[in-house]
Amino acid sequence: EDQVTQSPEALRLQEGESSSLNCSYTVSGLRGLFWYRQDPGKGPEFLFTLYSAGEEKEKERLKATLTKKESFLHITAPKPEDSATYLCAVQAPQAGTALIFGKGTTLSVSS
Amino acid sequence: NAGVTQTPKFQVLKTGQSMTLQCAQDMNHEYMSWYRQDPGMGLRLIHYSVGAGITDQGEVPNGYNVSRSTTEDFPLRLLSAAPSQTSVYFCASSGGRGQPQHFGDGTRLSIL
Repeated sequence: EDQVTQSPEALRLQEGESSSLNCSYTVSGLRGLFWYRQDPGKGPEFLFTLYSAGEEKEKERLKATLTKKESFLHITAPKPEDSATYLCAVQAPQAGTALIFGKGTTLSVSS
Repeated sequence: NAGVTQTPKFQVLKTGQSMTLQCAQDMNHEYMSWYRQDPGMGLRLIHYSVGAGITDQGEVPNGYNVSRSTTEDFPLRLLSAAPSQTSVYFCASSGGRGQPQHFGDGTRLSIL
């Protein structure tokens, strides 16, 4: 069965305290692993797409990496404005471009 | 650049009422999807479309209908609202397989 599992469910960091979020996935034929950021009351905002093991993408304080079984979202020296829920998803093999989502990691960064 | 627009933003219904959630995109995307987001459940696929005139069921389709008469619009219909359909509904579109989906800001629906 295709599925995505994220951990931890919640993460509290002090400003400047680096950490990583985990996304484990099982899918028949990966056509893309996607990271999104979701702020309260808003829709998911696209961050990165990773297509093959070994690939890395970076944007400001965020860096996403991919292996054959999991992806990590590394957050370096986070700021309070990085507080959000981070969602990981894989493209469903038999549903167009629809996504199978994990339940997300809620990140809180305090100053 | 509007992207994906959902209306209404909020709605309260009584059990048994019907309504249509609207979704429009201005990016000329062929692929569109509807999800619901519930606490502790994450985002789950309701219905999706791979082009005008073509729709199919996702993980949780019961109680919902869709149609795709144009590339731009993908409305979601609740046939007879039930309290279990209280949720936040998101519409998304993408340009093709392997490309990211772009989401609207959602419709928050409460059914009493």
